[in-house]
Amino acid sequence: AQSVTQPDIHITVSEGASLELRCNYSYGATPYLFWYVQSPGQGLQLLLKYFSGDTLVQGIKGFEAEFKRSQSSFNLRKPSVHWSDAAEYFCAVGADYKLSFGAGTTVTVRA
Amino acid sequence: GAVVSQHPSWVICKSGTSVKIECRSLDFQATTMFWYRQFPKQSLMLMATSNEGSKATYEQGVEKDKFLINHASLTLSTLTVTSAHPEDSSFYICSARGLAGWSYNEQFFGPGTRLTVL
Repeated sequence: AQSVTQPDIHITVSEGASLELRCNYSYGATPYLFWYVQSPGQGLQLLLKYFSGDTLVQGIKGFEAEFKRSQSSFNLRKPSVHWSDAAEYFCAVGADYKLSFGAGTTVTVRA
Repeated sequence: GAVVSQHPSWVICKSGTSVKIECRSLDFQATTMFWYRQFPKQSLMLMATSNEGSKATYEQGVEKDKFLINHASLTLSTLTVTSAHPEDSSFYICSARGLAGWSYNEQFFGPGTRLTVL
């Protein structure tokens, strides 16, 4: 069965600084990988996804992620965060059309 | 495209009553719908997978008689929490996967339903 680990429970970053959220997965084959963002009391919004091809994936809101098979990682990055990026971020791996989510990383943005 | 709605967005009910939550795919046909539960400050846990016209498949530890799922059409799935108790209070999120093409390989999520049982 697949699994996802997000090592960082909480990250605080200054507005304008760069952000990187870590995600490691466990799955025997090439996975489908996703990053979602969730604001308090809201549903999930898809930031980006990786199915195949170019390992550097561009998403919405200026986010990108890089798939590294050798490290079983799919880390999310943003060069310059905005106060509106404060939210909960979930990495997910898809297999057999089911998604397994990481525990999530809470991002706090300070002025 | 790929819009999923849920109704209601929040509900408060008395202990012992049943609550029905609807999940609709608005602009595509969903071969499969998924129901998740999310406790505060926690991740999403898959409760069950439902395919149109067949019985839902429940994840281990989820009571099928407690959480009734019906997927009567390609655009509608319902989750009924029967005889709700305070411990059933949670955020319930549905998602849908399409029949083919762009909507087949990923799930599209609804906005969630906040259930509070008094």
